[in-house]
Amino acid sequence: DTAVSQTPKYLVTQMGNDKSIKCEQNLGHDTMYWYKQDSKKFLKIMFSYNNKELIINETVPNRFSPKSPDKAHLNLHINSLELGDSAVYFCASSQERLAGGDTQYFGPGTRLTVL
Amino acid sequence: AQSVTQLDSQVPVFEEAPVELRCNYSSSVSVYLFWYVQYPNQGLQLLLKYLSGSTLVKGINGFEAEFNKSQTSFHLRKPSVHISDTAEYFCAVSEGGQGAQKLVFGQGTRLTINP
Repeated sequence: DTAVSQTPKYLVTQMGNDKSIKCEQNLGHDTMYWYKQDSKKFLKIMFSYNNKELIINETVPNRFSPKSPDKAHLNLHINSLELGDSAVYFCASSQERLAGGDTQYFGPGTRLTVL
Repeated sequence: AQSVTQLDSQVPVFEEAPVELRCNYSSSVSVYLFWYVQYPNQGLQLLLKYLSGSTLVKGINGFEAEFNKSQTSFHLRKPSVHISDTAEYFCAVSEGGQGAQKLVFGQGTRLTINP
């Protein structure tokens, strides 16, 4: 069974469109994250949710809006897509027991290409 | 603010040779340190982590890392690499007691194993 899954795996779209990426984890974790990995492989956190509550919100344009319908799901909606949004987006989850020392489990990534 | 520097962007090594991937961090408080590996077209997975205690940490696939507080380093080593170790390796740091874990990643080191 896949622990952290994301859909779609690939997403190709035109500038100006709105798109969503879905993430689900079946690990029973309380905390979920979204990361962006750019073309140089640099990985940066975007958001974190704990039990459906937004905990971390980095300096991300407000065109990006995370939504957590329940603690097993964290979706990422992006409005008015721009060329610079092209990247690989990773979802991750962890069980917050060690106050910063927990292992994060990553999904396979969604490669977003904006044309 | 925390930061992580991986001193080598690429490391080519021959199969069965030893390897060291270097990582330095900066933080004003006590930290947790991690090494994650990303195989081609996959998400990240944890290799090992340092929380406290012994400064030599052993991880999966024969990797180990040594935490050196005075040099603020957490270098990753393997005595004999295999072709299957070809991947991108990320060093990361998080601070304790902050609620949802905020991982700050280094730029990554691409390890290429040549036969």
